[in-house]
Amino acid sequence: GAVVSQHPSRVICKSGTSVKIECRSLDFQATTMFWYRQFPKQSLMLMATSNEGSKATYEQGVEKDKFLINHASLTLSTLTVTSAHPEDSSFYICSARPSEGGNNQPQHFGDGTRLSIL
Amino acid sequence: AQSVAQPEDQVNVAEGNPLTVKCTYSVSGNPYLFWYVQYPNRGLQFLLKYITGDNLVKGSYGFEAEFNKSQTSFHLKKPSALVSDSALYFCAVRDLYSSASKIIFGSGTRLSIRP
Repeated sequence: GAVVSQHPSRVICKSGTSVKIECRSLDFQATTMFWYRQFPKQSLMLMATSNEGSKATYEQGVEKDKFLINHASLTLSTLTVTSAHPEDSSFYICSARPSEGGNNQPQHFGDGTRLSIL
Repeated sequence: AQSVAQPEDQVNVAEGNPLTVKCTYSVSGNPYLFWYVQYPNRGLQFLLKYITGDNLVKGSYGFEAEFNKSQTSFHLKKPSALVSDSALYFCAVRDLYSSASKIIFGSGTRLSIRP
């Protein structure tokens, strides 16, 4: 149980392209999902908290107009990297916490999306 | 501020030997602690958590962790390492000041098990 599907797993595209990444909780509902960015050999950096039916909460220093988040249902959040540039190349990982069981439930992670901007 | 520290970037252990991956925490209030494992080019997999109760927590794949309040530690352990345990391990703590209960990750420890 508690599977999170993240798609696509890898994207290679030209500079200026907008890229959408999907995060789905397959067998549970998630009011809250999280988007992380991970640089090589580093820890995960939280970018934003995605809240179903409301605006995302962005961490300090993360441009909300650059990284658009939509959480339209209890099982789907999307991250769109708008007008991506080479410096946006990274490994993006989403996670979802089950709505049931309270805030101490562990987050369940997708397998990540490796974004490479040429 | 809530934080966790993983003092070792890398831990090397021979297969069959016991392993320990260290984690210390700094929180105000009761800590909610987690361990996750990451395999190459994959997301994180939940191993175990400590919320309250017994100090020794058992998790997935034969791993366990011991919560030590006096030493503010939550070290990950396994009695007998397998080559397949080689991966990147993250300790994490729940941010008690976050309304969304986000978690804060340590810097990660790369565990390498040699045959």
